[in-house]
Amino acid sequence: KNEVEQSPQNLTAQEGEFITINCSYSVGISALHWLQQHPGGGIVSLFMLSSGKKKHGRLIATINIQEKHSSLHITASHPRDSAVYICATFTMEYGNKLVFGAGTILRVKS
Amino acid sequence: GAVVSQHPSWVICKSGTSVKIECRSLDFQATTMFWYRQFPKQSLMLMATSNEGSKATYEQGVEKDKFLINHASLTLSTLTVTSAHPEDSSFYICSARDGGLDYGYTFGSGTRLTVV
Repeated sequence: KNEVEQSPQNLTAQEGEFITINCSYSVGISALHWLQQHPGGGIVSLFMLSSGKKKHGRLIATINIQEKHSSLHITASHPRDSAVYICATFTMEYGNKLVFGAGTILRVKS
Repeated sequence: GAVVSQHPSWVICKSGTSVKIECRSLDFQATTMFWYRQFPKQSLMLMATSNEGSKATYEQGVEKDKFLINHASLTLSTLTVTSAHPEDSSFYICSARDGGLDYGYTFGSGTRLTVV
């Protein structure tokens, strides 16, 4: 069974700071999602990764398959980035069910 | 991109009544949809996997007679909370995979259910 761990659990940053959220998992996976959940509850998929690195605007996600580790970076953070960030993995052999990390609560202060 | 529309976004109902939540895939066919429940300050908990044209697969501990799931078409799955009780109050959210988008998951906007 895959265990997904995220760190840190809580993160407070000043506007403009570079932010990194980490995710480790225990078994081989098909792919990993980085999700964003705002206080209203809706969830947005930021990235899906199976290898390498992806960039979208100020967000960068990387994954190291050998080390079973992924990171989400936010450059030039802004208060509107305040949200819960969740990594979730899935493996086709396990019926495509997502296994979620506990989430990282990010607060960016102005 | 793929969009999953979920309705209602919030609902208040009386104890003993039933509530139906709908999830529609707007621009892709979702042969599989997933239903989650989320308690405050906790991560999502998978309740069941909904398969078009067949019975849903429920996770251990989830009452299938309490949480009825119907996936009658490739674009619509419904979750009905039957005989709702205050302890059913929670945030419910669905997701679906569009196989044409490299297996990415798309989430609905969620439904906040309050049972009074």
